[in-house]
Amino acid sequence: GENVEQHPSTLSVQEGDSAVIKCTYSDSASNYFPWYKQELGKRPQLIIDIRSNVGEKKDQRIAVTLNKTAKHFSLHITETQPEDSAVYFCAASTTGNQFYFGTGTSLTVIP
Amino acid sequence: GAVVSQHPSWVICKSGTSVKIECRSLDFQATTMFWYRQFPKQSLMLMATSNEGSKATYEQGVEKDKFLINHASLTLSTLTVTSAHPEDSSFYICSASDTGRLGEKLFFGSGTQLSVL
Repeated sequence: GENVEQHPSTLSVQEGDSAVIKCTYSDSASNYFPWYKQELGKRPQLIIDIRSNVGEKKDQRIAVTLNKTAKHFSLHITETQPEDSAVYFCAASTTGNQFYFGTGTSLTVIP
Repeated sequence: GAVVSQHPSWVICKSGTSVKIECRSLDFQATTMFWYRQFPKQSLMLMATSNEGSKATYEQGVEKDKFLINHASLTLSTLTVTSAHPEDSSFYICSASDTGRLGEKLFFGSGTQLSVL
C-alpha cells in the first residue's frame, strides 16, 4: 500500500518568514495530494490540494509543489503569521476512496 | 467546500457503556466515509473505511466487535464504541469523500472527544 512520510515533525519560524513542509509517497499511482491544517481540538481543514497533472498550485500565501518523478510534494507558506500556527498534514490518494496521511508537522510561528 | 457534521462533540461515559457517534454529509452524498482516532499531538489513525450498504473495512489491529460501524445511507455513518473502557478515551474524527462535484476531496467532521471514566 501507499506510505506517506512527512518532515519535519516540528517547525518554528519567525513571523514573516517562510515555512516549508515536505512529504514523500511510495505509490506512483497516487494522483491527488491534499494538505490539511488542524488547530488544537478542531477538525482538519483542507487548505490546498494538487493533482498529478499539475506541478504547482498557489493560493495567496500558500503554495504546493509536486514532483511526480521523485514522488514528493511540498507545502510552502510565505509571510507566516501567528494564526498559521497549527498542525499540518499531507495526504496522498489514488482513487478518492483511500487517503494516506503523513504524520503531521506542528508549525509554530513566533511573533 | 462540503460540510460534514459529527455529533456529539464531547461525551463522557462510565466504563462499560456504549457510545454512538454520528457522521453526516450535509450537502453531498458520501459513498465512502472514514473513521479515525487521534491521540494528542499525533497523526490521524485510520480505524475503518465505511461504504454505504456494505460492511466496513477495518484496519489491522482495530476490533470490529468493539467499534461497530454502520453506513446505512449515503449521508450517514455511525461509529458505536461498545462497552467502552478508559483506554478507549480519545478523539474520534470521521471524514467523507465527495467524489462527485468536488472530485474526490475529503472533508472532516468536527470530531468527538470521548472520555471514559
